[in-house]
Amino acid sequence: GIQVEQSPPDLILQEGANSTLRCNFSDSVNNLQWFHQNPWGQLINLFYIPSGTKQNGRLSATTVATERYSLLYISSSQTTDSGVYFCAVAVIQGAQKLVFGQGTRLTINP
Amino acid sequence: EPEVTQTPSHQVTQMGQEVILRCVPISNHLYFYWYRQILGQKVEFLVSFYNNEISEKSEIFDDQFSVERPDGSNFTLKIRSTKLEDSAMYFCASSAQGVGYEQYFGPGTRLTVT
Repeated sequence: GIQVEQSPPDLILQEGANSTLRCNFSDSVNNLQWFHQNPWGQLINLFYIPSGTKQNGRLSATTVATERYSLLYISSSQTTDSGVYFCAVAVIQGAQKLVFGQGTRLTINP
Repeated sequence: EPEVTQTPSHQVTQMGQEVILRCVPISNHLYFYWYRQILGQKVEFLVSFYNNEISEKSEIFDDQFSVERPDGSNFTLKIRSTKLEDSAMYFCASSAQGVGYEQYFGPGTRLTVT
């Protein structure tokens, strides 16, 4: 099955810093989503981005489908950005299930 | 904005008991999913459901699990005889269409089996 690798596994930054999270995947996809898991365990949809670039406030994401990776950018980090960020993909040839990466744990210190 | 809801938010049960986790997907969505996340691990697919039948299931989804859409709004996951290793966060999701469409996740039900 498709492999999804996220890097780095852990990232510790000071408030105000910028960060880049990466998601590599091993097959062609028709769905790619980024989630933020908050301290209560809820998965918050950040982006649906199978290709191209999107921005939402301080967050933006870019997926280069032909090279099989996606990047999530967080600018001017705040302590509330802390948590685990997951990338999830669905393959073109197959059913609709999302395959998740292991996540990047982001810690923003005040 | 429409959202997926799940009840209860937290369920504690004893080993061997049956549990039913409930979800209300977004009203005009046609595809429904259950995922689970064991504490500290990644989210794993359990089952997808379309047109009143299972369209795909993972190897985790054995005979102890079943899903049902008992009416036009609810989507349930039943675990017949819970085991300690079923303790996890269970997420319901829905999408308007199938392949390639965004999946919207509920807030999850934390199941604790003692």
